Amino acid sequence: DQQVKQNSPSLSVQEGRISILNCDYTNSMFDYFLWYKKYPAEGPTFLISISSIKDKNEDGRFTVFLNKSAKHLSLHIVPSQPGDSAVYFCAASATGDDKIIFGKGTRLHILP
Amino acid sequence: ETGVTQSPTHLIKTRGQQVTLRCSSQSGHNTVSWYQQALGQGPQFIFQYYREEENGRGNFPPRFSGLQFPNYSSELNVNALELDDSALYLCASSRDTPGLAGPFYFGPGTRLTVT
Repeated sequence: DQQVKQNSPSLSVQEGRISILNCDYTNSMFDYFLWYKKYPAEGPTFLISISSIKDKNEDGRFTVFLNKSAKHLSLHIVPSQPGDSAVYFCAASATGDDKIIFGKGTRLHILP
Repeated sequence: ETGVTQSPTHLIKTRGQQVTLRCSSQSGHNTVSWYQQALGQGPQFIFQYYREEENGRGNFPPRFSGLQFPNYSSELNVNALELDDSALYLCASSRDTPGLAGPFYFGPGTRLTVT
């Protein structure tokens, strides 16, 4: 039973355009959501997070949107750059439960 | 934040053997978690330690065990290795106390191959 789902295994976006990565979750107890980026042969790098009391969090080119009623979040990258090509993991946790549950990841390709 | 290191980088073991993987967290990061990432999957939570005690465990059998030391280092031990244990093992640390939402910072991982 996958509690965090990233339904797009891969995504290709032209350099300079917006990249939108989507994530759905099933556990209504989740109240903290994170996005990680992973390059080959490296560990996941923390990108941005959002608490369930917010519906948007922005950090430079990265914005995460949370729609609690739809149990959906998305990561927007604007503008997309070649260095953004990586696997992006959506993750979630619930206060009081220490584990972070990850999705399977979406591979983002930024095209020149 | 950076500074989580893991050793070794790669390891090849035979089925039935035992393995110890090591992690060094940043100073002040009292919470450490271990994850297993199989090919094509997201990281799966194995267990978490806080101030040298296990305080959370995922769906992994008892042959997966760990230790955390006062100097912010930790170990993951796997006994009686099985072929399905082949994966990338990730260590992650956080300055937050367990139960509080906060990001974890990952090391580069140890690639374990069981033959």
